[in-house]
Amino acid sequence: EVQLLESGGGLVQPGGSLRISCGAAGFTFSDYAMSWVRQAPGKGLEWVSVISTSGGSPYYADSVRGRFTISRDNSKDTLHLQMDGLRAEDAAVYYCARIRYGLLDAFDLWGQGTLVTVSS
Amino acid sequence: DIQMTQSPSTLSASVGDRVTITCRASQSIRNYLAWYQLKPGKAPKLLIHKASTLASGVPARFSGSGSGTEFTLTVSSLQPDDLATYYCQHYNAYSRTFGQGTKVEVE
Repeated sequence: EVQLLESGGGLVQPGGSLRISCGAAGFTFSDYAMSWVRQAPGKGLEWVSVISTSGGSPYYADSVRGRFTISRDNSKDTLHLQMDGLRAEDAAVYYCARIRYGLLDAFDLWGQGTLVTVSS
Repeated sequence: DIQMTQSPSTLSASVGDRVTITCRASQSIRNYLAWYQLKPGKAPKLLIHKASTLASGVPARFSGSGSGTEFTLTVSSLQPDDLATYYCQHYNAYSRTFGQGTKVEVE
């Protein structure tokens, strides 16, 4: 089955760090650019970051640039998001998403999300 | 930065109604626009890409139109399974911007 499965969410204190991951199954992970999107409680969707098939050319939303790092391990079919300097406003459900074709396209496959809570 | 303004924020409709959601871009985005459906506890679902291309497996009652700065998502005959929140999204190679979302409720 073609799917994405996020993991690694949890409770972290303000200023802390957390790494979340997204495992891919049922398709050739290395053929697709990938992205992270988040949804804070009661809020809309917010794009976070994107990475190319090779792992180069990462881009970030202004709200996370300098604090978050996206990476991928094509040998393990896994996408990561390293989150440092976490703030209360980073609390959200984090979704990984597959980009349909290349970098300039929509997200055609999403995971079900992992919850990150930032609180003391 | 390009801003995406979606309206209405909430829409009440009955099963069988024709429903239209609008998304406006702060500058021309050509046809680089997608529509997604979100339901609580489920993975988001792509409905439309390139402004008007129906995604694989999406029912034909969904359609998208527009280019430049104004876009619409239409559901020709609302079904119970369509009760959800819908988002437009502009995409380019370096970033994505979502609209604020439209929650479709039963009237």
